[in-house]
Amino acid sequence: AQSVTQLGSHVSVSEGALVLLRCNYSSSVPPYLFWYVQYPNQGLQLLLKYTSAATLVKGINGFEAEFKKSETSFHLTKPSAHMSDAAEYFCAVSDRVSGTYKYIFGTGTRLKVLA
Amino acid sequence: GAGVSQSPSNKVTEKGKDVELRCDPISGHTALYWYRQSLGQGLEFLIYFQGNSAPDKSGLPSDRFSAERTGGSVSTLTIQRTQQEDSAVYLCASSSGEANQPQHFGDGTRLSIL
Repeated sequence: AQSVTQLGSHVSVSEGALVLLRCNYSSSVPPYLFWYVQYPNQGLQLLLKYTSAATLVKGINGFEAEFKKSETSFHLTKPSAHMSDAAEYFCAVSDRVSGTYKYIFGTGTRLKVLA
Repeated sequence: GAGVSQSPSNKVTEKGKDVELRCDPISGHTALYWYRQSLGQGLEFLIYFQGNSAPDKSGLPSDRFSAERTGGSVSTLTIQRTQQEDSAVYLCASSSGEANQPQHFGDGTRLSIL
C-alpha cells in the first residue's frame, strides 16, 4: 500500500520568506499526488495535483510543487509567504485498493506566518 | 451550490444520544468518502462509497458507526449511543472515482458530545 509522510507538523516562516512544506511518498507505481489546504473551520481545498503530465505543477495562490521520482518527493513551495497563507496543508496520494481508488493523506503541516 | 454540502454545520448533543450527519455530494460524483478530524489532528478515514455500495468500511471505529448512501447521491453517517470521544469534525468528500481526479470536500460537521 502507498503511504505519505509529511516532515514537520509545524512550520513557521516570516512574511515574504520562502515557504517549503515537505512531502514524501512510497509507491511502486507512478502515483497521483495532491496538495490540499485547510483554513480554520473549513474543509480541505485543492491547491494542486500531479498526474504525470509535468513534473513542476503550479497551483492556486502562487503555490507550486515539483515531483521528483528519484527522491520520491512532492514538496510544496511558494516564493513569498503572505499572512493569508497561514493554514494547515495536507499532502495526499491516490491508491488503488480492491479495484477502487482510495486517498491516503499525510498527517498535515500547520504553517504559521510571522509578521 | 455546486460544491459538497454537509449538514448540520454544528451539532451539540448529550452523551448516549444518536446523531445523523448528512452529506450531499457534487452532482455526478460516484465516489463519496467520510473522514473524521479530531482537534489538531489529521484526517482519519472512516468509509468509502462507490455508487450505493461501500467497498471499504475499514475505518469505522466501532459498530456504533454506520453509513448509507441512497440513489448514488446523498449519504448519511449515523453514530449511535454517542460517547465524548466521538467529538470531532466529520468531513465528507466526493470525487469522480478516477485516480487522477481530486476529492472535493464539504466544510464539515462539528460534533460536540456533552
